[in-house]
Amino acid sequence: EAGVAQSPRYKIIEKRQSVAFWCNPISGHATLYWYQQILGQGPKLLIQFQNNGVVDDSQLPKDRFSAERLKGVDSTLKIQPAKLEDSAVYLCASSLQGSGYEQYFGPGTRLTVT
Amino acid sequence: GENVEQHPSTLSVQEGDSAVIKCTYSDSASNYFPWYKQELGKRPQLIIDIRSNVGEKKDQRIAVTLNKTAKHFSLHITETQPEDSAVYFCAAINQGGKLIFGQGTELSVKP
Repeated sequence: EAGVAQSPRYKIIEKRQSVAFWCNPISGHATLYWYQQILGQGPKLLIQFQNNGVVDDSQLPKDRFSAERLKGVDSTLKIQPAKLEDSAVYLCASSLQGSGYEQYFGPGTRLTVT
Repeated sequence: GENVEQHPSTLSVQEGDSAVIKCTYSDSASNYFPWYKQELGKRPQLIIDIRSNVGEKKDQRIAVTLNKTAKHFSLHITETQPEDSAVYFCAAINQGGKLIFGQGTELSVKP
């Protein structure tokens, strides 16, 4: 089975610029997650979708981050404007049902903000 | 708030020895505890998980134990091999259904 796809794999931007990440989950997976992983730390959940509805976005900095999952399949995560502290790997994951089931991670997008 | 503490942050063992990584969690309603392995520059991958209705689970050289009373769980790797070298993350699902990750343990297996 095909895994979770993400693009781009790497992105370098200057602070105050905008950036968008794309994720295509495993076919048939209803739940999609976006995590932020800062170097040397564990992944931190930013937002969780169940189909095209938001389940949890309590850790999403909504003044600059936004995410959508139109049609309940692909998802995009946007940062506008970026700050230096946004430098991290952004991981997308999906699971068949809710978070009590195995989450399959994509390869991640490594963002560097200069 | 919800918290998962993981120890040690780094662990170095000789090939063939055992490695143990310990985690504690704060939300007593947590009922699902996965362990992920992340090699350098790669995605986290599930290696084993345990639910709160069992105390121990084993898969070949890997085992996980859970003590719900003490709110801690541990990963045990026996007969370690150089390819076991990676960062290991424990996680616990909180009452709201969110997966909370530990800080990670960098395991180094020396040949």
